[in-house]
Amino acid sequence: NAGVTQTPKFQVLKTGQSMTLQCAQDMNHNSMYWYRQDPGMGLRLIYYSASEGTTDKGEVPNGYNVSRLNKREFSLRLESAAPSQTSVYFCASKGQGYGYTFGSGTRLTVV
Amino acid sequence: LAKTTQPISMDSYEGQEVNITCSHNNIATNDYITWYQQFPSQGPRFIIQGYKTKVTNEVASLFIPADRKSSTLSLPRVSLSDTAVYYCLVGLLQGPMEYGNKLVFGAGTILRVKS
Repeated sequence: NAGVTQTPKFQVLKTGQSMTLQCAQDMNHNSMYWYRQDPGMGLRLIYYSASEGTTDKGEVPNGYNVSRLNKREFSLRLESAAPSQTSVYFCASKGQGYGYTFGSGTRLTVV
Repeated sequence: LAKTTQPISMDSYEGQEVNITCSHNNIATNDYITWYQQFPSQGPRFIIQGYKTKVTNEVASLFIPADRKSSTLSLPRVSLSDTAVYYCLVGLLQGPMEYGNKLVFGAGTILRVKS
């Protein structure tokens, strides 16, 4: 099925560890996004990539880095995880049509 | 950047029509209004988008008055499976997203449908 695929679905990290969240879309969309969602809150934009080869900061970029590997893939890296980064992370993409398409999320816990 | 205001929560019963209103006083001329639905443990899902007047699809209707300072999402005859969080977003939707025009998700409206 066409859509946005995120891996892993769940992850537990120790404080200070690093990891990369993977995201891939097969809809030929130009724009891709990383959001985080904390309990009882809306989504907050971390980073986005308006097109292949470009990335830019969103509302809450501190502690994260991103790579737009190609048109399909947009990864999010935590270099030194902190408990404050415990959250659910959503990747999304958007083409010229209506709305964003979201992945099913990665639930990250930092202990 | 247009900010939106929605009720925190709403309760309804199966079979009723539900109207969720969103206030966006600072909407810009080029901004569209979009609604998303989010179930627990899932990513948001696009419901409907509009610019002015009324838009209807198989899932919902969106009513936008002439001044565009508010909008109302209407869900006809809700069922238990419509229990979710509904987000109203305002922003430029066509073409690449620029920093000043990025979409911002508020806390949304929790809709609880009871039997």
